[in-house]
Amino acid sequence: DIQMTQSPSSLSASVGDRVTITCRASQSISSHLNWYQQKPGKAPNLLIYAASSLQSGVPSRFSGSGSGTDFTLTISSLQPEDSATYYCQQTYSTPLFTFGPGTRVDVK
Amino acid sequence: QVQLQESGPGLVKPSETLSLTCTVSGGSVSSGSSYWSWIRQPPGKGVEWIGYIYYSGSTSYNPSLKSRVTMSVDTSKNQFSLKLSSVTAADTAVYYCARAYKALVKNYYYYYMDVWGKGTTVTVSS
Repeated sequence: DIQMTQSPSSLSASVGDRVTITCRASQSISSHLNWYQQKPGKAPNLLIYAASSLQSGVPSRFSGSGSGTDFTLTISSLQPEDSATYYCQQTYSTPLFTFGPGTRVDVK
Repeated sequence: QVQLQESGPGLVKPSETLSLTCTVSGGSVSSGSSYWSWIRQPPGKGVEWIGYIYYSGSTSYNPSLKSRVTMSVDTSKNQFSLKLSSVTAADTAVYYCARAYKALVKNYYYYYMDVWGKGTTVTVSS
């Protein structure tokens, strides 16, 4: 099974800061990597698919990059509404579309 | 646009079977690009993918749950369902249904979960 790790597990940053979250796969997953944002009490919301494609309706301050085993989610200018937990997910290998453990982002 | 709604008992006794249904509106469960999925999230923890079912009935399950999971699809009702047998307290979670969409991106097919239900809380307790 492919294992996913994320770093950091949590971070705190100020409005306007550039924030980067890293996701690593235990083996190559090409570009089969998605990013989701989850706010408390809500379902996850798709931000990025295929490692770098922005989902329709998602603000352009969110971007994704990477391929193989190392991926990043970047928020170019952090906003108060970006306080949430962010999950990566690999969809390269069935029967298990593994999620990462999550990164909690707090906006100061 | 496609919307999903989970339904089912909020309380299940240990050793019994958890049964949930997801109703699809604004689209068809028979869509060729859609893989109908279940995901869960224990209290205070991360998300866990349970599996998916295609409208044809083909399935893919998380190996760690495979022996206890059964998914089905009812095209006449535009619904799909999850059964999880022999539940324990560790199965207490918010259960989400979602669509895993298969899209052609830059000449390759990718899956991503673009539509989610609001989630339903299931507690396993006697």
